[in-house]
Amino acid sequence: EPEVTQTPSHQVTQMGQEVILRCVPISNHLYFYWYRQILGQKVEFLVSFYNNEISEKSEIFDDQFSVERPDGSNFTLKIRSTKLEDSAMYFCASRAATNEKLFFGSGTQLSVL
Amino acid sequence: AQSVTQLDSQVPVFEEAPVELRCNYSSSVSVYLFWYVQYPNQGLQLLLKYLSGSTLVKGINGFEAEFNKSQTSFHLRKPSVHISDTAEYFCAVSSSGGYNKLIFGAGTRLAVHP
Repeated sequence: EPEVTQTPSHQVTQMGQEVILRCVPISNHLYFYWYRQILGQKVEFLVSFYNNEISEKSEIFDDQFSVERPDGSNFTLKIRSTKLEDSAMYFCASRAATNEKLFFGSGTQLSVL
Repeated sequence: AQSVTQLDSQVPVFEEAPVELRCNYSSSVSVYLFWYVQYPNQGLQLLLKYLSGSTLVKGINGFEAEFNKSQTSFHLRKPSVHISDTAEYFCAVSSSGGYNKLIFGAGTRLAVHP
């Protein structure tokens, strides 16, 4: 089965630093998402991306967050100035236009110290 | 707005016993419903989904779920569990239009004991 690939699997950063989480969605997919899961809590929607623009974002996705699809294959999530509360597992997901199944990556565990 | 409630945070069960994980949702629009499983240190894997049609949906690993519109429920069942079913299970809902963001429940930890 095709896979969504996320790198790195673990990222440790200092508070206030910028981080970029990388994702390679499945090649023929058109809709892209970022979700996060703080330890012990539910999976939360952050942002959806279609046709090279944000289609929807949650309250969590403030000005410190941005997404980009720089080269037609990667899909990145940037946090400009990380806070302690940004520590979480971040999941990338993608789906094809005509299929409702979301494929999730295995996640990037972000630890902000 | 949509929401999902998983009433049980943990469900312990013995191997080969049946199990039901409960999920209730609220939505003012038509919805799609999903169950995802998360094994330790792994991502989310789709177990099954309800989009339309038959209210009884069969998924992978012997799981099934029944959509009940009047009770706004989508409970997950398995007639006989294995040790390998130990994982976190998430119920999720999305609207049937738009960009289909998923709203997840808090999850149910299924612990299968020998």
